[in-house]
Amino acid sequence: AQKVTQAQTEISVVEKEDVTLDCVYETRDTTYYLFWYKQPPSGELVFLIRRNSFDEQNEISGRYSWNFQKSTSSFNFTITASQVVDSAVYFCALSRASGTYKYIFGTGTRLKVLA
Amino acid sequence: GAGVSQSPSNKVTEKGKDVELRCDPISGHTALYWYRQRLGQGLEFLIYFQGNSAPDKSGLPSDRFSAERTGESVSTLTIQRTQQEDSAVYLCASSLRGMKNIQYFGAGTRLSVL
Repeated sequence: AQKVTQAQTEISVVEKEDVTLDCVYETRDTTYYLFWYKQPPSGELVFLIRRNSFDEQNEISGRYSWNFQKSTSSFNFTITASQVVDSAVYFCALSRASGTYKYIFGTGTRLKVLA
Repeated sequence: GAGVSQSPSNKVTEKGKDVELRCDPISGHTALYWYRQRLGQGLEFLIYFQGNSAPDKSGLPSDRFSAERTGESVSTLTIQRTQQEDSAVYLCASSLRGMKNIQYFGAGTRLSVL
């Protein structure tokens, strides 16, 4: 069975602090995809990144970076120099690399960035 | 359209009534998904459409839930005889099948059953 765990329910940081959101997943598949989405108060999930299980290179996009470690089944997300606009709920998700590609979501981490 | 559109954005209904939720996917997206998000929880998969057929309905919680899709476009999720536990945000997503399976989400319909 597939499962995604986001153990951090809520995190509060002060603006300009760095923050890491944890994601641990379980799957028996050798090929799969991992995702991060941002859900601002408007409710619409915004795609941030997709990672293929064969690609363990870390990725950086501006203030965002992602650390994929297959050995520990983790796909963590770091925001550097956080800003108030980063306040949102962040979801990690897993999908198989075949079939319906439906997502298995974690329960989300609510990030509050205080000015 | 530019993005996935869902209507209504909010729906309040009385227990026992039927409701219909609508999703307009991104034009050309052949795959369409419905998810449910209960308060404080992650999203649960409900149903997947490829074109107009639904090869995976495994997430529908009961036979009170059904969905259809017409013209490889609009989809409707119907909940019959609503119960209070159906209160949730229902999100729709679409994707280009085979195109890295990135799903693009609508803003959801917040359903409240009184």
